[in-house]
Amino acid sequence: GQNIDQPTEMTATEGAIVQINCTYQTSGFNGLFWYQQHAGEAPTFLSYNVLDGLEEKGRFSSFLSRSKGYSYLLLKELQMKDSASYLCAIMDSNYQLIWGAGTKLIIKP
Amino acid sequence: ETGVTQTPRHLVMGMTNKKSLKCEQHLGHNAMYWYKQSAKKPLELMFVYSLEERVENNSVPSRFSPECPNSSHLFLHLHTLQPEDSALYLCASSRGDRGSGANVLTFGAGSRLTVL
Repeated sequence: GQNIDQPTEMTATEGAIVQINCTYQTSGFNGLFWYQQHAGEAPTFLSYNVLDGLEEKGRFSSFLSRSKGYSYLLLKELQMKDSASYLCAIMDSNYQLIWGAGTKLIIKP
Repeated sequence: ETGVTQTPRHLVMGMTNKKSLKCEQHLGHNAMYWYKQSAKKPLELMFVYSLEERVENNSVPSRFSPECPNSSHLFLHLHTLQPEDSALYLCASSRGDRGSGANVLTFGAGSRLTVL
């Protein structure tokens, strides 16, 4: 079957760094997405990885290892506004998006 | 107005009511989606329309009925729902290049549905 695992909840301190992991087992792979969703708001696109390695976008970076079925989202210099849920999704061989249940990130001052 | 707009934002209905959720996108996208989001569960894809044609229906109960009159508008008609249908219903749109891996979805803020 297809499966995506990410931690349910994480807590971090303002100004620190946090890494949110996502592991997956899917039928084929056509890319991995990260979305951010603030409470009561729309999920918004953060990053897309299709090749192994690290993609950096300002304070956010996303890493992919296809051989390990593993990705992480790295958030640096955490701000209170980064408190949100982070959704990992894989596009499988049929170009269907398979979603994780999301990681709720709580930032404390 | 830009982006994806959903109305109403909140809806409470009884099991015998009939109501509709509306979604509108102003991005020039060709594909539109309905997702169900329940607490601590992955997003569940319900329906996909591409160029106004339904291309996917993921075994959704018939009490949910989608309608896509044009590429900018999408409706979800609700009838005789059950309490377990209470959830956040998200609409999304994309360019429609489903054969492309980088098919980014733009979501609306959702309609929070409570079935009593």
